Amino acid sequence: GAVVSQHPSWVICKSGTSVKIECRSLDFQATTMFWYRQFPKQSLMLMATSNEGSKATYEQGVEKDKFLINHASLTLSTLTVTSAHPEDSSFYICSARGSRDIQETQYFGPGTRLLVL
Amino acid sequence: RKEVEQDPGPFNVPEGATVAFNCTYSNSASQSFFWYRQDCRKEPKLLMSVYSSGNEDGRFTAQLNRASQYISLLIRDSKLSDSATYLCVVNFHTGRRALTFGSGTRLQVQP
Repeated sequence: GAVVSQHPSWVICKSGTSVKIECRSLDFQATTMFWYRQFPKQSLMLMATSNEGSKATYEQGVEKDKFLINHASLTLSTLTVTSAHPEDSSFYICSARGSRDIQETQYFGPGTRLLVL
Repeated sequence: RKEVEQDPGPFNVPEGATVAFNCTYSNSASQSFFWYRQDCRKEPKLLMSVYSSGNEDGRFTAQLNRASQYISLLIRDSKLSDSATYLCVVNFHTGRRALTFGSGTRLQVQP
C-alpha cells in the first residue's frame, strides 16, 4: 500500500522559534497533500490543501503567514510553523492523495507532535 | 451544526459483543464515505470505504443511507484489539475535495 512519511515525529521547541515538518509520499506521486491539526480529544481539522507547484489553499481561520506550506515536488510537502507559541502545540498530520487514485483515497503520515514551551 | 456528527462515546463493551456506531452528515452533496480508525496518539488509518449498497469486511459492516444522510458501522465479535477511536469521514467532492472528519467515537473492549 501507499506509504507517507513525516519528519520529525516529535519536536520540542522554545516559544518564538520556527519549526519545519516534512511530509513525503514514498512510493507514489501525490498531486495533492493535506495538512491537518488535531488537539487532544478533538477531531482532525484541515488546515490547508497543498497542490504541487501552486500556492496552498488555507482554511478559514488558519494564518497563511504563520503556517507556511511548500509543495515543491510530487513527493514532498513541507509545513513551517513560524514563531511558534505554546498554543501551536498540537499533533500535525499530513495526508497525500495519489494522482491516479479515482477513489480519492488519502494516505496519512504518522504525524508530528509539536510541543512549544 | 457540525458537518459530520458522531456520538463521542465511550462505548465500553465486553469481548465478543456486537457494537454499532452511527454518524450523520449535513451536506447532501457528499459523495464518498469512509470509516477510519485512530489509535491513541497515532494517525488515522482507513478501516473501510462505505458504499451505497452497504459492504462488509470480515467482522465489520458499513451501511449508508443517503436519504437520511446517515452512515453506520457494525462490529461483530469484538476483540480487545478493536479498542480505538472510530472516525466517520466524508468527502464532499467540491472545491478542495478534502476529507471532513467527525470527532470520533471511542470504543473500549474489555476482557
